[in-house]
Amino acid sequence: IAGITQAPTSQILAAGRRMTLRCTQDMRHNAMYWYRQDLGLGLRLIHYSNTAGTTGKGEVPDGYSVSRANTDDFPLTLASAVPSQTSVYFCASSILAGGTDTQYFGPGTRLTVL
Amino acid sequence: GQNIDQPTEMTATEGAIVQINCTYQTSGFNGLFWYQQHAGEAPTFLSYNVLDGLEEKGRFSSFLSRSKGYSYLLLKELQMKDSASYLCAVEDSGYALNFGKGTSLLVTP
Repeated sequence: IAGITQAPTSQILAAGRRMTLRCTQDMRHNAMYWYRQDLGLGLRLIHYSNTAGTTGKGEVPDGYSVSRANTDDFPLTLASAVPSQTSVYFCASSILAGGTDTQYFGPGTRLTVL
Repeated sequence: GQNIDQPTEMTATEGAIVQINCTYQTSGFNGLFWYQQHAGEAPTFLSYNVLDGLEEKGRFSSFLSRSKGYSYLLLKELQMKDSASYLCAVEDSGYALNFGKGTSLLVTP
């Protein structure tokens, strides 16, 4: 069982380019989340999805979009990357929606925008 | 709004006991989590408290006082592999966790 996988592991991107970070889970979890982690700021929620077909905005959604076409996949898209989006991005999932269930994290994607 | 505070850094000796505190002021409260994160890795779940009191799990224990907006993570018999960041997170909104900035723990020989 893989759990949660993310791709790519790392990426260097030119400003203005479009980029999609992939996240797939094989645990049949209902809820999925995208966080960014920056030094000194901790983990901040970008977007979440309580179940397939629904999404919601977190603390820092600007410049990012998500979709949840099925249970397993939750891609995060940067439409036009900017240097301030340089960060480590973690995808997470939980059995239940609502945040009170344990979240399991993917290995992360380290993104650098130049 | 939400405010979750933890010490930035702590140092402790191998074999000792260390307590990492977390205070929170949030608009709601549905539970508090502790996660461990080694450098360059993903956070992993350690504990969950929703009721007041102590939850013990092997060398790790977590305490919660909802009336004081306070939690601590207690690590006993410290090992070198316990050197990591420890993240306190509160569920206050009904849809996701709010994380503190984390406490970096260094265990020395």
